[in-house]
Amino acid sequence: AQSVSQHNHHVILSEAASLELGCNYSYGGTVNLFWYVQYPGQHLQLLLKYFSGDPLVKGIKGFEAEFIKSKFSFNLRKPSVQWSDTAEYFCAVRPTGGFKTIFGAGTRLFVKA
Amino acid sequence: EAQVTQNPRYLITVTGKKLTVTCSQNMNHEYMSWYRQDPGLGLRQIYYSMNVEATDKGDVPEGYKVSRKEKRNFPLILESPSPNQTSLYFCASSPTLELKQFFGPGTRLTVL
Repeated sequence: AQSVSQHNHHVILSEAASLELGCNYSYGGTVNLFWYVQYPGQHLQLLLKYFSGDPLVKGIKGFEAEFIKSKFSFNLRKPSVQWSDTAEYFCAVRPTGGFKTIFGAGTRLFVKA
Repeated sequence: EAQVTQNPRYLITVTGKKLTVTCSQNMNHEYMSWYRQDPGLGLRQIYYSMNVEATDKGDVPEGYKVSRKEKRNFPLILESPSPNQTSLYFCASSPTLELKQFFGPGTRLTVL
């Protein structure tokens, strides 16, 4: 069965610190990968996605993620976080060509001003 | 304005009383999906639809029904709600598999 594991449930950082959120998935075939963000009181927004090509993808708000196929990982990074990045972050996986989507449990990020 | 709308936004009901949560999109999207969000579990897909009259089960379909009789609407039906269906529900739509999903504002359901 497919699954998505996000390693940290809660992360606390100071402004300007670097961020890396882990995401590993379990699936035997090819996948499409997503990171979504949910700001307090809002619904989900897409940060970035990987379908094919360059495994390093850049998204909005300075976020990027790297797909490492051999490690079944799709970690999210940002070199310098801001207070406004305080949110919950979700990794999601979808088998290529399908619409069934598996989300990770989420990582709550709190950035101290 | 392009959007996904859900109604109601908040609902408190009792066990066994059938209810429907509506979802409508005005973007002519092919794909629509229902998710529930629970603390510590993230989002779990309930059902999805890849076109009119084409629906399929997600990860947690038990206790739910859906229909897709027209492209814009994708209602979620709870025939006999139970307290374990207390959750925050999101509808989403997407024009293609490659493009992002647009999420609705969410429906907070409490089943007593």
